[in-house]
Amino acid sequence: RKEVEQDPGPFNVPEGATVAFNCTYSNSASQSFFWYRQDCRKEPKLLMSVYSSGNEDGRFTAQLNRASQYISLLIRDSKLSDSATYLCVVIVMDSNYQLIWGAGTKLIIKP
Amino acid sequence: ETGVTQSPTHLIKTRGQQVTLRCSSQSGHNTVSWYQQALGQGPQFIFQYYREEENGRGNFPPRFSGLQFPNYSSELNVNALELDDSALYLCASSLRVVTYSGANVLTFGAGSRLTVL
Repeated sequence: RKEVEQDPGPFNVPEGATVAFNCTYSNSASQSFFWYRQDCRKEPKLLMSVYSSGNEDGRFTAQLNRASQYISLLIRDSKLSDSATYLCVVIVMDSNYQLIWGAGTKLIIKP
Repeated sequence: ETGVTQSPTHLIKTRGQQVTLRCSSQSGHNTVSWYQQALGQGPQFIFQYYREEENGRGNFPPRFSGLQFPNYSSELNVNALELDDSALYLCASSLRVVTYSGANVLTFGAGSRLTVL
């Protein structure tokens, strides 16, 4: 089992729809959580951090459930420009420090 | 403010050879991390350097090694190249080690694409 798992893609979604991604993690020493976005053949860029209380940034909402060890990302009123791969990132701090990335979920917004 | 720059952008090597990839961190950043990204996969954490010392490592064999210099630039060295080492190698810098604060975001370079034949 991978340490960080994401919904398999691609998600094909019409413009204006709401889409949700989930990401589960297995290491209880996971401390911090992020969503990154990666456009085709480009480098990843931070979309948002994920806080325990949940947080929102415009059309994007991130949630963390420590008990069930998953994080989620909700995109409302999706735009064509939201088409990208969304990567879940977990920081594990036990005897070692690691940034562990999910394989990503590809989102395709259709007009 | 300059961003993260990586070199070379593309290179081709043969099995058994050695490669050195270079990364200049963003101005003001003292932490550099390296990632391997195979096609269609997420980045895999190789290691991280903070103030010239390795302070975190992923599941990569010892033939993957690195350095960080006093100016916070960094090198990734891979010895005895294997076909499976073919990937995009990404370098990211941050103001300091990314821990609890989301403010210490990772700024990525465009990557070095390595092909091993």
